[in-house]
Amino acid sequence: EAQVTQNPRYLITVTGKKLTVTCSQNMNHEYMSWYRQDPGLGLRQIYYSMNVEVTDKGDVPEGYKVSRKEKRNFPLILESPSPNQTSLYFCASSPGGRFTDTQYFGPGTRLTVL
Amino acid sequence: AQKITQTQPGMFVQEKEAVTLDCTYDTSDQSYGLFWYKQPSSGEMIFLIYQGSYDEQNATEGRYSLNFQKARKSANLVISASQLGDSAMYFCAMREVPINRLAFGKGNQVVVIP
Repeated sequence: EAQVTQNPRYLITVTGKKLTVTCSQNMNHEYMSWYRQDPGLGLRQIYYSMNVEVTDKGDVPEGYKVSRKEKRNFPLILESPSPNQTSLYFCASSPGGRFTDTQYFGPGTRLTVL
Repeated sequence: AQKITQTQPGMFVQEKEAVTLDCTYDTSDQSYGLFWYKQPSSGEMIFLIYQGSYDEQNATEGRYSLNFQKARKSANLVISASQLGDSAMYFCAMREVPINRLAFGKGNQVVVIP
């Protein structure tokens, strides 16, 4: 089944404890992206990647890191999480970066930072 | 400036009736894609329908259709024959060239009542 997977689905952590949210897609998509969703603010892009070893900042990159060493994986790293990073996180992928390319989303990771 | 505007308050819809969700967008590009996503209470983002800026026909996908009025910069989603499972938040989004992200609206809440 074609899909985007994220792990973990739920995570409660404490301020300053490094964490990684994994994202993997099995559709051979070139483009991958991370979004966060917050009440009243909607979905905002954190980082995106056009292909392996090519990443760029989105609208809200502060406090996050990403890497794209393999085409299928695009992990999101929070080196020192803070409570304002409590959010619902989505990974998405699309065949490429064209405006015609549909982005398919993973199931989401609900992160709480205490 | 907000790229995507969804201003309708939450809507209650009778089962089997049609519902129209409004979306207006702002862009100076000629090439862009418009997407609708559904987010049920379980949280995942489900792709529903796509309309390209050069498409002359309105997109349809099963019970979903998109009323695309390019000159008015609107892309309204029509759900025909509503079902209880249609209760969800619905998001309109736009992908422009060369901005490599989806810009999302704030969403429309739909509740289908029997």
